[in-house]
Amino acid sequence: SAVISQKPSRDICQRGTSLTIQCQVDSQVTMMFWYRQQPGQSLTLIATANQGSEATYESGFVIDKFPISRPNLTFSTLTVSNMSPEDSSIYLCSVATRVTDTQYFGPGTRLTVL
Amino acid sequence: KQEVTQIPAALSVPEGENLVLNCSFTDSAIYNLQWFRQDPGKGLTSLLLIQSSQREQTSGRLNASLDKSSGRSTLYIAASQPGDSATYLCAVRYFQGGSEKLVFGKGTKLTVNP
Repeated sequence: SAVISQKPSRDICQRGTSLTIQCQVDSQVTMMFWYRQQPGQSLTLIATANQGSEATYESGFVIDKFPISRPNLTFSTLTVSNMSPEDSSIYLCSVATRVTDTQYFGPGTRLTVL
Repeated sequence: KQEVTQIPAALSVPEGENLVLNCSFTDSAIYNLQWFRQDPGKGLTSLLLIQSSQREQTSGRLNASLDKSSGRSTLYIAASQPGDSATYLCAVRYFQGGSEKLVFGKGTKLTVNP
């Protein structure tokens, strides 16, 4: 199994600012993903973080709003840019080593935008 | 596009009952299916992973089945306990748009009453 940590665990931000969330894994993993969980909702995939190349975004999510970095096989960042109250959500980092493997999730970052 | 549906949305049972949670998906071309548990304000805990070639997986009081051809999975919980109270999420991994994705249902909120 993989142990995933996220920083910060929670934050309260002002409208128009940006927040960068960090995800650190205790072992090298092939696949890293970022999800959003809006209040009372299930998880929605934002993007796949690709090591050494641009992230692959899902429909409805764009790089200008959610820039992602993945400099190596154990670390990734997600930035939520120019925030509005609609961005208030839990953001979760998730990893897997192979397609057939269990996918693990970090504890999440709870973001509130005022 | 893959869609995952979970029924019921909420379930309340007395302690000791056996219960079944249902999950259905629209595209049967999946790699695997995973059941998760999410406690309020916390991240996801992986419960069971069923590969597309498997019919069921068991862990303790939990048993998950998969009928890929009909696009259905069930999670059976035996002798339920108050500590089983949580939201249970079903997710399928499949290939679309050049990458593998894990897509979630909206979950079943389970309450086990003492």
